[in-house]
Amino acid sequence: QKEVEQNSGPLSVPEGAIASLNCTYSDRGSQSFFWYRQYSGKSPELIMSIYSNGDKEDGRFTAQLNKASQYVSLLIRDSQPSDSATYLCAVMKYGNKLVFGAGTILRVKS
Amino acid sequence: KAGVTQTPRYLIKTRGQQVTLSCSPISGHRSVSWYQQTPGQGLQFLFEYFSETQRNKGNFPGRFSGRQFSNSRSEMNVSTLELGDSALYLCASSPQGEETQYFGPGTRLLVL
Repeated sequence: QKEVEQNSGPLSVPEGAIASLNCTYSDRGSQSFFWYRQYSGKSPELIMSIYSNGDKEDGRFTAQLNKASQYVSLLIRDSQPSDSATYLCAVMKYGNKLVFGAGTILRVKS
Repeated sequence: KAGVTQTPRYLIKTRGQQVTLSCSPISGHRSVSWYQQTPGQGLQFLFEYFSETQRNKGNFPGRFSGRQFSNSRSEMNVSTLELGDSALYLCASSPQGEETQYFGPGTRLLVL
């Protein structure tokens, strides 16, 4: 079992819709979670971090964390073609080590 | 503030050679982490440095090494290059006391 699992996609949504990206993790003791966006040929760009159960909103992005279910999600409202990218879920481990999922490819169709 | 910078951006080497990659963190950041990204293995942690000390190391062979200087700039070295070392090498820095990591643009290494 991988430490961080994501559906590889691609996830296709129409412009203006809500995109829902999901991630599960295996270490129940994990405390810190991150979402990054990576455009093709570029480096990962931080979208947001989440540490507590519940929702955290930042503009069109909402991260959701459920530690009991070991589940993290990212919602993108009013999806735009410019949101088309690979979304990486990451979990912080001991020693400042991020463990990444394989990423979900999102395609927003105009 | 300027972001994380990495040099060179692109590199072509042949098997058996060695390579040194450089990373300058965001001003004031003292923690620098290195990652390797390949299509097959994804993003994998190489090592992390703080105040010139390696605090954590990933599961990579000893051919991969690094160091950090007093100004927080970091270098990583790969000796005896193998074809499988072809990858995007990413450096990330963190502010002191925070876990959030900010990535540089990466160095794309091709080993022929």
